[in-house]
Amino acid sequence: NAGVTQTPKFRVLKTGQSMTLLCAQDMNHEYMYWYRQDPGMGLRLIHYSVGEGTTAKGEVPDGYNVSRLKKQNFLLGLESAAPSQTSVYFCASRPQGSVSYGYTFGSGTRLTVV
Amino acid sequence: SQQGEEDPQALSIQEGENATMNCSYKTSINNLQWYRQNSGRGLVHLILIRSNEREKHSGRLRVTLDTSKKSSSLLITASRAADTASYFCATVENSGYSTLTFGKGTMLLVSP
Repeated sequence: NAGVTQTPKFRVLKTGQSMTLLCAQDMNHEYMYWYRQDPGMGLRLIHYSVGEGTTAKGEVPDGYNVSRLKKQNFLLGLESAAPSQTSVYFCASRPQGSVSYGYTFGSGTRLTVV
Repeated sequence: SQQGEEDPQALSIQEGENATMNCSYKTSINNLQWYRQNSGRGLVHLILIRSNEREKHSGRLRVTLDTSKKSSSLLITASRAADTASYFCATVENSGYSTLTFGKGTMLLVSP
């Protein structure tokens, strides 16, 4: 059981380039999330999805877009990367229903924008 | 905005000692969760405590919750070098699609 898989694990972008981060989960979870982690800041929510075809903004959504075309996949896109988007990105998922479930996290994508 | 604030920011102890980390939060919550993150890795869910619970145990972990003070503590007993990691508290508010809001974490170093 792989859980939550993120690709790629590392990436270096030039300012203005675009890229897509892929998150895939095999647990049939309804809810999926994208967080970014910066030094001394903890994790901050970028976007999330409560089911296939749905997306919603989190705390820091600017500069990012997301799509949930399939239940098992949640894509995070950067249309025009900026140095401020240098961060470690984590995807997470949880089952539908009660909010009393822990999240399952992927191992992260380390992105550097130069 | 950050919901939880962990204290201390860093903690260094010897193997066998107990480690206590505290978390304070600002709003009414449905539950509070603790996560561990090893260096360069993803977060791992450790334990969840609901707002109507006061204490919960899981192996060497003991979590308390005081909703009147909006605070929680995580106790790791008989620490091991393998417990070296960052520990985060995260809260879930009482709303339909409420999401996890994380604190900034406590870095724990357990020396052999």
